[in-house]
Amino acid sequence: GAGVSQSPSNKVTEKGKDVELRCDPISGHTALYWYRQSLGQGLEFLIYFQGNSAPDKSGLPSDRFSAERTGGSVSTLTIQRTQQEDSAVYLCASSTQGGTEAFFGQGTRLTVV
Amino acid sequence: DQQVKQNSPSLSVQEGRISILNCDYTNSMFDYFLWYKKYPAEGPTFLISISSIKDKNEDGRFTVFLNKSAKHLSLHIVPSQPGDSAVYFCAAKYTGGGNKLTFGTGTQLKVEL
Repeated sequence: GAGVSQSPSNKVTEKGKDVELRCDPISGHTALYWYRQSLGQGLEFLIYFQGNSAPDKSGLPSDRFSAERTGGSVSTLTIQRTQQEDSAVYLCASSTQGGTEAFFGQGTRLTVV
Repeated sequence: DQQVKQNSPSLSVQEGRISILNCDYTNSMFDYFLWYKKYPAEGPTFLISISSIKDKNEDGRFTVFLNKSAKHLSLHIVPSQPGDSAVYFCAAKYTGGGNKLTFGTGTQLKVEL
């Protein structure tokens, strides 16, 4: 499809395990964002990639969280040693460089048990 | 520090009536504002936006009003339809902040028959 694609759509993991979440942005979009939405909360910014610039990591909650964007396209968000408070819907979005709106994927629901 | 606030977690309106969703912000650097709509198990979808150089933007049944002096914006939906029932997020960004969006916590709108 032509939209932002995220995988998996659902992930259940045991506390302490590492997880990887994948995002395929819209082709040609140079900007990519990760947000998360915890139960009853708004969308919390995590990290932002724009072209070849250094990513804005100011929203990552701890050093257990990291993200990469390979070849300016696909991005992977990695959470190491998962904790129960990491349970949330992780949303990826992309936009053009000068774009005024971001297009979101359907999200990955992460449950840490 | 919640820079974008949606103080009403929920709103119930009768079909055909006007829905008014409110949003307040604290960061005077914000110069572009967006509304997103989110259905359960889906990613947010862009609805309407407004630049800080304007005080009103209209698109069909949806109108966004911006009051910069009060740091307040609102989304009007008229007439409201049952399919409008969703969570509405207000978001803001500023020139120089990249395309990073700061979101409010959302308002759950329910349009009743």
